Amino acid sequence: KQEVTQIPAALSVPEGENLVLNCSFTDSAIYNLQWFRQDPGKGLTSLLLIQSSQREQTSGRLNASLDKSSGRSTLYIAASQPGDSATYLCAVSSGNQFYFGTGTSLTVIP
Amino acid sequence: GAGVSQSPSNKVTEKGKDVELRCDPISGHTALYWYRQSLGQGLEFLIYFQGNSAPDKSGLPSDRFSAERTGGSVSTLTIQRTQQEDSAVYLCASSLIGGTLDTQYFGPGTRLTVL
Repeated sequence: KQEVTQIPAALSVPEGENLVLNCSFTDSAIYNLQWFRQDPGKGLTSLLLIQSSQREQTSGRLNASLDKSSGRSTLYIAASQPGDSATYLCAVSSGNQFYFGTGTSLTVIP
Repeated sequence: GAGVSQSPSNKVTEKGKDVELRCDPISGHTALYWYRQSLGQGLEFLIYFQGNSAPDKSGLPSDRFSAERTGGSVSTLTIQRTQQEDSAVYLCASSLIGGTLDTQYFGPGTRLTVL
């Protein structure tokens, strides 16, 4: 069974700092990997989706990379802002199932 | 347009009671997913619908859980004889086509508390 791990579980940084969130998965036979953010009391918002044939995706200040062979993905956030504070989840798809990590809780301090 | 909606937003019930959770997907989305998020744990996949059919029910934790989808739209997740370990946030998501190329759009969830 696919297992997805996210490190660190929580992260606190001052505003303006660049940061990296990590995601690892045990089975490299994935179709895609997706990064989401979850705000308290709300559902998930998709940030970036990387197909298995791709190495990275960029959207604004966000950049996600995928190394399928090593079972790793990183989410890079540039010039962090207080509005970036949320829980970030990664999910991998294998077949019709999606496996989520437990998330990294990010706090950006003004 | 409107996003995925779920009702109720909060549900408190007594152990042993049945509950129904509702999901209204984005109009036109053929795929619908149910997940469970327990405190301190990641999202747990429960079931996936393509149209009205559920090709994969392997995620349902027990036979007390069932789900249906009618008219390719609204879905209901039913939990019979609720137990305290059923307490969690139940999230629904929909996607246009389904499968692995498609982005899922999530609803705000239903927080279920079983006393």
